[in-house]
Amino acid sequence: KQEVTQIPAALSVPEGENLVLNCSFTDSAIYNLQWFRQDPGKGLTSLLLIQSSQREQTSGRLNASLDKSSGRSTLYIAASQPGDSATYLCAVTSARETSGSRLTFGEGTQLTVNP
Amino acid sequence: NAGVTQTPKFQVLKTGQSMTLQCAQDMNHEYMSWYRQDPGMGLRLIHYSVGAGITDQGEVPNGYNVSRSTTEDFPLRLLSAAPSQTSVYFCASSFTSSPYNEQFFGPGTRLTVL
Repeated sequence: KQEVTQIPAALSVPEGENLVLNCSFTDSAIYNLQWFRQDPGKGLTSLLLIQSSQREQTSGRLNASLDKSSGRSTLYIAASQPGDSATYLCAVTSARETSGSRLTFGEGTQLTVNP
Repeated sequence: NAGVTQTPKFQVLKTGQSMTLQCAQDMNHEYMSWYRQDPGMGLRLIHYSVGAGITDQGEVPNGYNVSRSTTEDFPLRLLSAAPSQTSVYFCASSFTSSPYNEQFFGPGTRLTVL
């Protein structure tokens, strides 16, 4: 059974710092990995989607990498801002999954960027 | 486009009551799904649909029913609510049922069952 782990569970950094969020998964047979942002009391906003054949994706100050063979992904946030404060979730679509395009989620990293 | 919309935003039910959580998308997406989010357990798939008239069970389907009569709508029904169904419910959609597609989520419904 696929399991997704995110470390750390919480992270607090000063504004302007570059930071890395980590995601690991137990089964490397995946179609893709997706990073989401969740603001308190809100829904999930898709940030980046990395297909299994790709090594990284970039969007603005965000860069996500994928090492499928080792079961790891990182989300790099450059020059962090207070508006980046949120919970970041990673999710994988497993190739061995029988429930359609089911996403298996980690529990998230709660990021606080202090002014 | 409004994207994925969900109603209501909040709901309080008594044990045994029934209700329907509404989900709609205006992106002509074939694939729609329902997740619940609980502390310590992450998001788990309840039911999904690969197109109008086709639904299937996910990881935690017990206590929930779904139907898909149109491409746009995918309601989730609780026939007899239980306190264990207190959760935040998210609806999601993607262009097709291909696992390579990006998935988009609605704002969620926060349900409390007393």
